[in-house]
Amino acid sequence: LAKTTQPISMDSYEGQEVNITCSHNNIATNDYITWYQQFPSQGPRFIIQGYKTKVTNEVASLFIPADRKSSTLSLPRVSLSDTAVYYCLVGSGAGSYQLTFGKGTKLSVIP
Amino acid sequence: GAGVSQTPSNKVTEKGKYVELRCDPISGHTALYWYRQSLGQGPEFLIYFQGTGAADDSGLPNDRFFAVRPEGSVSTLKIQRTERGDSAVYLCASSAVAGGAIDTQYFGPGTRLTVL
Repeated sequence: LAKTTQPISMDSYEGQEVNITCSHNNIATNDYITWYQQFPSQGPRFIIQGYKTKVTNEVASLFIPADRKSSTLSLPRVSLSDTAVYYCLVGSGAGSYQLTFGKGTKLSVIP
Repeated sequence: GAGVSQTPSNKVTEKGKYVELRCDPISGHTALYWYRQSLGQGPEFLIYFQGTGAADDSGLPNDRFFAVRPEGSVSTLKIQRTERGDSAVYLCASSAVAGGAIDTQYFGPGTRLTVL
């Protein structure tokens, strides 16, 4: 399973765009990149998933460069309720059923 | 619809005791996973069920840990002779299809286990 590296923590003011970058130098051809969000006392929640280029949904955007060795989760105009831990995961559907979480990035949104 | 539920939400036990943690997955989800999360860490995989069978139990730390899913729905994680190091939040997740890291997993709120 490809290892991921992301910042331990980030601070942002309300209303700003937040970009969290994840490095995954050993990503395999079949691997997808998935981000989960976890609030205190809750289980992780799926945010977004992509394979290459850009993916956007109602919550976030995911930017993946051509070499796929990194990815950036973009949260537009964050609010206090976006304060959470964000996990970047890399894996495929081929025989790797588990999700491998790192320590994640603790995002603190400041009023 | 109803999400993944776990009971109890909190469990305090004494060292050496036996505990059972229950998970009710989303109805119709064939894949079920157990994870363990220690303070300040991401969830750590324990075991994966596809239907009634444990397809991958490579994450179980030792033979004191065991999980079942007899009817392919509810699952129970069982821990024998609990140790203080077993204290953690135990998370259950389910997914609609056959599993795989690309399939969205839906997590429950977890059971916080404290071993005194």
